[in-house]
Amino acid sequence: EVQLVESGGDLVQPGGSLRLSCAASGFTFSSYWMDWVRQAPGKGLQWVSRIKTDGSYTSYADSVKGRFTISRDNAKNTVYLQMNSLRVEDTAVYYCVRVWDYWGQGTLVTVFS
Amino acid sequence: DIVMTQSPLSLSVTPGQAASISCKSSQSLLQSDGRTYLYWHLQKAGQPPQLLIYEASNRFSGVPDRFSGSGSGTDFTLKISRVEAEDVGVYYCVQSIQIPFTFGPGTKVDIK
Repeated sequence: EVQLVESGGDLVQPGGSLRLSCAASGFTFSSYWMDWVRQAPGKGLQWVSRIKTDGSYTSYADSVKGRFTISRDNAKNTVYLQMNSLRVEDTAVYYCVRVWDYWGQGTLVTVFS
Repeated sequence: DIVMTQSPLSLSVTPGQAASISCKSSQSLLQSDGRTYLYWHLQKAGQPPQLLIYEASNRFSGVPDRFSGSGSGTDFTLKISRVEAEDVGVYYCVQSIQIPFTFGPGTKVDIK
């Protein structure tokens, strides 16, 4: 069974940093591209970032480019999202997605002033 | 960026009746490899989204056959042949042909 379990969400002040993790199991993690998608409270879905199977390619939404960094450790079956210079508008549930078929349960990031 | 629109934005359906949701993209989602990069997801209350349809018309594993996807180029449709109570939630289309990948605003479906 495919499982994606996010962690690392927290309350943080503007300008702060967080690192989200997504632990994958039930499939050959190194064979799949992975995404992060977020959902602000009561809002729709927004794609955030993507990483290739071996980590050699990454891409970002303009709203997070230069502040967020996606990475992966295939030995640990984990994908990460390093979030720096956080803003109030980054407040959202962050989902880890195996492109595009399985979603994790999400982890909540709240940026408050 | 590719703009995704959906209509209607809300839909109230009698159980057993059919429902249809339209999704339009501002650019063609047909790639040179012959695949169409349009997906449909359903988000039930308090849950993460779940994949229903991939590449415009392919039903994902375990998805009931009352769900079907159709369309090409820029115009797509998700149909539910006979709505059941468990189908309530918000339906999203999303394109993955061009970065940034973009979602439609969502269509909220509830039961009359």
